[in-house]
Amino acid sequence: AQTVTQSQPEMSVQEAETVTLSCTYDTSENNYYLFWYKQPPSRQMILVIRQEAYKQQNATENRFSVNFQKAAKSFSLKISDSQLGDTAMYFCAFMKTNAGNMLTFGGGTRLMVKP
Amino acid sequence: GAGVSQSPRYKVTKRGQDVALRCDPISGHVSLYWYRQALGQGPEFLTYFNYEAQQDKSGLPNDRFSAERPEGSISTLTIQRTEQRDSAMYRCASSFSQSGNTIYFGEGSWLTVV
Repeated sequence: AQTVTQSQPEMSVQEAETVTLSCTYDTSENNYYLFWYKQPPSRQMILVIRQEAYKQQNATENRFSVNFQKAAKSFSLKISDSQLGDTAMYFCAFMKTNAGNMLTFGGGTRLMVKP
Repeated sequence: GAGVSQSPRYKVTKRGQDVALRCDPISGHVSLYWYRQALGQGPEFLTYFNYEAQQDKSGLPNDRFSAERPEGSISTLTIQRTEQRDSAMYRCASSFSQSGNTIYFGEGSWLTVV
């Protein structure tokens, strides 16, 4: 079974600064996908970024980027130029390939962006 | 539809009553998933369907929980004889296929059992 660990229950950052959220996972699989989802106070679940394990290049989406370290089983999210609208819970998630798209989530990190 | 639609958004029920939660996936999406999310925690997998076939129900906590998707589109998650510990947000999600595709979540159904 896969496990996903987010070791930072809460974090805060000043507006316009950069913050990194940590995620580690445990799996015996070689091919898989990793995701970061954002859950704002509205409780929506919004996909932020996705990484395929077979790709060495780190995924980026505008101000969001990841540092994927496959050997270390680490998948951190960097948010640059933080904005007030980035305030949310962030969930890291793991998906095996060829296993029905089921996601295993971490416990989440609550991020507060301060003005 | 434009997104995954769930109803009701909020449901308060008395302990012992049955509840049915509905999910309408994104049009054309083959796979449909149910997750449960307790307050302050990440979502936990319950079950999923490809078309009308239930592929995995290993996450359903006990036999009071069941799900169906009879025509391969709309799905219903039913909880019989509800208990207070069933209180949570129940999220539906869908994806275009069952392999490696992005999953899109609905806004969830909040269930409170009193």
